[in-house]
Amino acid sequence: RKEVEQDPGPFNVPEGATVAFNCTYSNSASQSFFWYRQDCRKEPKLLMSVYSSGNEDGRFTAQLNRASQYISLLIRDSKLSDSATYLCVVNPWNSGNTPLVFGKGTRLSVIA
Amino acid sequence: NAGVTQTPKFRVLKTGQSMTLLCAQDMNHEYMYWYRQDPGMGLRLIHYSVGEGTTAKGEVPDGYNVSRLKKQNFLLGLESAAPSQTSVYFCACHSPGAGQETQYFGPGTRLLVL
Repeated sequence: RKEVEQDPGPFNVPEGATVAFNCTYSNSASQSFFWYRQDCRKEPKLLMSVYSSGNEDGRFTAQLNRASQYISLLIRDSKLSDSATYLCVVNPWNSGNTPLVFGKGTRLSVIA
Repeated sequence: NAGVTQTPKFRVLKTGQSMTLLCAQDMNHEYMYWYRQDPGMGLRLIHYSVGEGTTAKGEVPDGYNVSRLKKQNFLLGLESAAPSQTSVYFCACHSPGAGQETQYFGPGTRLLVL
């Protein structure tokens, strides 16, 4: 089983729609989780961290389910500018010496 | 602050040629990374460094060498380029610690090996 798995998509949704992505991770000891956003031909950038209690940032909500070992990202009221690839990222050992593990990404296209 | 910069932005090489990609950061971060990104493959870690003078292998280190002589610079070398090394290369850095897991990426170097 790969360390971090995501549905590659693409998810094609109309403006204003709500869309959700899931990501599963294999290492149950993982403590830190993140969502990054990558625009076409650009570098990845941190979108939000994922906390055990879940967290919300405007139209974006991230949640963690430790029992099932998955994290989710919910985008409400989708905008055209939300079109991008969303990368699920895990710190597999909660150790500063271990590189973060990136999923391959889920591509989102928001259509007018 | 420039953040993370990469030089060059784009390069075309012939098979067998060598080159060095430079990553520079002005964020005083300890850790630096080199990734390659290919269509459908996601980001794959080539080498990384947890501090000046240290380097470690990542997921796909073959065909690459790195050096971290100065804290702010991380060099990626291709001694004999192959077409399979055609890719987009991203450098990243971060400073581990509570609440500081963010990795900051450079804008990327697009490499084409003919």
